[in-house]
Amino acid sequence: SAVISQKPSRDICQRGTSLTIQCQVDSQVTMMFWYRQQPGQSLTLIATANQGSEATYESGFVIDKFPISRPNLTFSTLTVSNMSPEDSSIYLCSVRTRPPVWDEQFFGPGTRLTVL
Amino acid sequence: GDSVTQMEGPVTLSEEAFLTINCTYTATGYPSLFWYVQYPGEGLQLLLKATKADDKGSNKGFEATYRKETTSFHLEKGSVQVSDSAVYFCALPSYNTDKLIFGTGTRLQVFP
Repeated sequence: SAVISQKPSRDICQRGTSLTIQCQVDSQVTMMFWYRQQPGQSLTLIATANQGSEATYESGFVIDKFPISRPNLTFSTLTVSNMSPEDSSIYLCSVRTRPPVWDEQFFGPGTRLTVL
Repeated sequence: GDSVTQMEGPVTLSEEAFLTINCTYTATGYPSLFWYVQYPGEGLQLLLKATKADDKGSNKGFEATYRKETTSFHLEKGSVQVSDSAVYFCALPSYNTDKLIFGTGTRLQVFP
């Protein structure tokens, strides 16, 4: 298994500002993902964080709005840029330890973001 | 494309009642199927899984059987507890990608 921590756990931000969310895993993992969960909604994949290269973004998400870093196999950051109230969501980091073993996907506790 | 459909919630039950949360899927091939649970204020936890047709996944008193004929993976529990109150997500891996596709989630509320 993998233990995932996220910082901050929650934040309240002003419109137009940016927030960087950190994801730390207790072991080296092959794949890291960032998801968004809007209020009362399911999870939507934002991007796959690739170690040593640019993240792979899903349709509807762009690097300028959600820049992602992954400097090593245990750490990643997601920045939510130029925030608006529509960005209020829970942001979840997820890791996969041994593809293609699909059950080895774990989720962090999430960062609850409120934009005023 | 691949998709997951869950029954809408909330599902409201009294303690010790029988639970069924319906999940049906559309998929290429025969992927593994998952149920995740999200307790209030927490991230997602894998609750159970099934990797092939007729497999039954089970954990913490919950069960789900992979039904190829009906493309279903319904979650059941014989006697729910207040502590089972959470949101439950059915999920499957999208064919030939790294994506995990989730259903919309079903909120379960159990009252004493």
